[in-house]
Amino acid sequence: DIQMTQSPSTLSASVGDRVTITCRASQSISFWLAWYQQKPGKAPKLIYKTSRLESGVPSRFSGRGSGTEFTLTISNLQPDDCATYYCQQYNSYPLTFGGGTKVEIK
Amino acid sequence: QVQLVQSAGEVKKPGASVKVSCKTSGYSFTTFGISWVRQAPGQGLEWTGWISTDTGNTNYAQTLQGRVTITADTSTNTAYMELTSLTSDDTAVYYCARTPVGSGMRYFDYWGQGTLVTVSS
Repeated sequence: DIQMTQSPSTLSASVGDRVTITCRASQSISFWLAWYQQKPGKAPKLIYKTSRLESGVPSRFSGRGSGTEFTLTISNLQPDDCATYYCQQYNSYPLTFGGGTKVEIK
Repeated sequence: QVQLVQSAGEVKKPGASVKVSCKTSGYSFTTFGISWVRQAPGQGLEWTGWISTDTGNTNYAQTLQGRVTITADTSTNTAYMELTSLTSDDTAVYYCARTPVGSGMRYFDYWGQGTLVTVSS
């Protein structure tokens, strides 16, 4: 199974800051990575897949990476961005998620 | 608009089975697969399985192999996940999610609202 490791597990930053979440795969997954945003009590929401931002997602979100290392960056952090973010590989079964990164506002 | 509406929460005793439904609308049911993802209280996301609604082909997480069955009813555009021999470790919110069927495209673009399954004696 491909293990997905996210860091940090919790991130606290101020409104307007630029924050970056890292996701590492235990083996190469090419570009087959998605990012989800989950707010408390809600289902996850797809925000990024295969190097593309989902329609309607603010352009302050951006993703990069290939192979084993990926990043999700939020520039100009807003209060609405408070959530837990998960990466997910879909290179091969079983589909696996990272452990999540909780983003908080200072 | 695309919608996935799941059945209500359930409380089950250890050893029992549960079957959760996911009724879809707003798109052609057989042109996308359905996956199931669960989330234990305060924990992360765990993929449990996937079905091709067109062919009925399935793929399950090895950790649940033998206990989980995913089916799809094309007459009602509804997918189901049944989990047997429940233990307290199966207590979780279970989500269904629409999954593209293109080669390699196994991400989840629309999600149901979640169904809480509680296993308790």
